[in-house]
Amino acid sequence: SAVISQKPSRDICQRGTSLTIQCQVDSQVTMMFWYRQQPGQSLTLIATANQGSEATYESGFVIDKFPISRPNLTFSTLTVSNMSPEDSSIYLCSAGGNSYEQYFGPGTRLTVT
Amino acid sequence: AQSVTQPDIHITVSEGASLELRCNYSYGATPYLFWYVQSPGQGLQLLLKYFSGDTLVQGIKGFEAEFKRSQSSFNLRKPSVHWSDAAEYFCAVGEYGNKLVFGAGTILRVKS
Repeated sequence: SAVISQKPSRDICQRGTSLTIQCQVDSQVTMMFWYRQQPGQSLTLIATANQGSEATYESGFVIDKFPISRPNLTFSTLTVSNMSPEDSSIYLCSAGGNSYEQYFGPGTRLTVT
Repeated sequence: AQSVTQPDIHITVSEGASLELRCNYSYGATPYLFWYVQSPGQGLQLLLKYFSGDTLVQGIKGFEAEFKRSQSSFNLRKPSVHWSDAAEYFCAVGEYGNKLVFGAGTILRVKS
């Protein structure tokens, strides 16, 4: 298993601003993912963070809104750009290998006012 | 695309009673199946997984799940629930690209 940390754990931001969330894994991993969990909802995959190349986004999510970086095998960032109140959610990072098994970080609770 | 259905949004059980949380999936081949638990304000913790082999899998915290291909189900069970089991439980199925598709979740409340 992998231990995953995220920063910040929570934040309150004003609309129109951007927030970058960091995800650190304690070991090298093949796969890293970013999810959104809207209030009272399940998890929705935003994108797969690919090391050394552009992230692969799911339908309904675009790079301009959610730019993602993955400079190495243990670290990734997700930026939520030009935020609106609808972006208020928990954002979760996960890591895994080639077996579908994923381990999750504690999440970043974002409130946009 | 794969999908996961958790028919029960909320379930309330008494402490010490048995528990079964339902999960149905849609997938053509043998699925990779998971159960995760999310305590309030926390991330997701993997309880157990099924890849192949024995259809009854054991997990952490005394949980088990049974894969039934004929019913496309992967129900989570625990013989005796503790108050600390109160949380939200998510069933998930693996999808192409090592991605996971999650069900809507079931919130478990435990009565003392």
